[in-house]
Amino acid sequence: TQLLEQSPQFLSIQEGENLTVYCNSSSVFSSLQWYRQEPGEGPVLLVTVVTGGEVKKLKRLTFQFGDARKDSSLHITAAQPGDTGLYLCAGAPGNQFYFGTGTSLTVIP
Amino acid sequence: ETGVTQTPRHLVMGMTNKKSLKCEQHLGHNAMYWYKQSAKKPLELMFVYSLEERVENNSVPSRFSPECPNSSHLFLHLHTLQPEDSALYLCASSQSGGAGGEQFFGPGTRLTVL
Repeated sequence: TQLLEQSPQFLSIQEGENLTVYCNSSSVFSSLQWYRQEPGEGPVLLVTVVTGGEVKKLKRLTFQFGDARKDSSLHITAAQPGDTGLYLCAGAPGNQFYFGTGTSLTVIP
Repeated sequence: ETGVTQTPRHLVMGMTNKKSLKCEQHLGHNAMYWYKQSAKKPLELMFVYSLEERVENNSVPSRFSPECPNSSHLFLHLHTLQPEDSALYLCASSQSGGAGGEQFFGPGTRLTVL
């Protein structure tokens, strides 16, 4: 079993649609991060959340950390082709980050 | 050069070869990491160096040997690898070795073991 389960594994949507991807665990995290990885590149940090219930916005992206600090969601409004990529969550139950398997998002023009 | 660079970007090697992956960070960070990224698996942390000392070794086989000569450079020496070692190897750096800080990743080396 994975420490962090991400769903869906794959998502293909039309430009302009909204979507939500999830990162779930049975462990409590002191902090949780979301990264985006584009083909041929390494992951790039999008956001770090540390407080239960915290909501952070980054343009059309909204990140929420669960009240119990065990899960998180990423909502994208009006998706654009530039949002295409692999979205990874990473959580630190202690002093080391563990990554989820990722959600591969394709936004079709 | 800026950020984190990795060379080579692609590597094909036989099971009896010896090769090395190189990572260099230009960010003034104190911690560096090696990760393995395989299809349908989470990123696997292999090694962590903080202030040039290895602080984490996640049960990685001895055919992978890291080296950190200074805080800007990290190597991964490879010998007698197996086909299942084929993967994308990512290097990252951060200001400190603790969790919670931002990790900056290089573009990775795509390794194929024949």
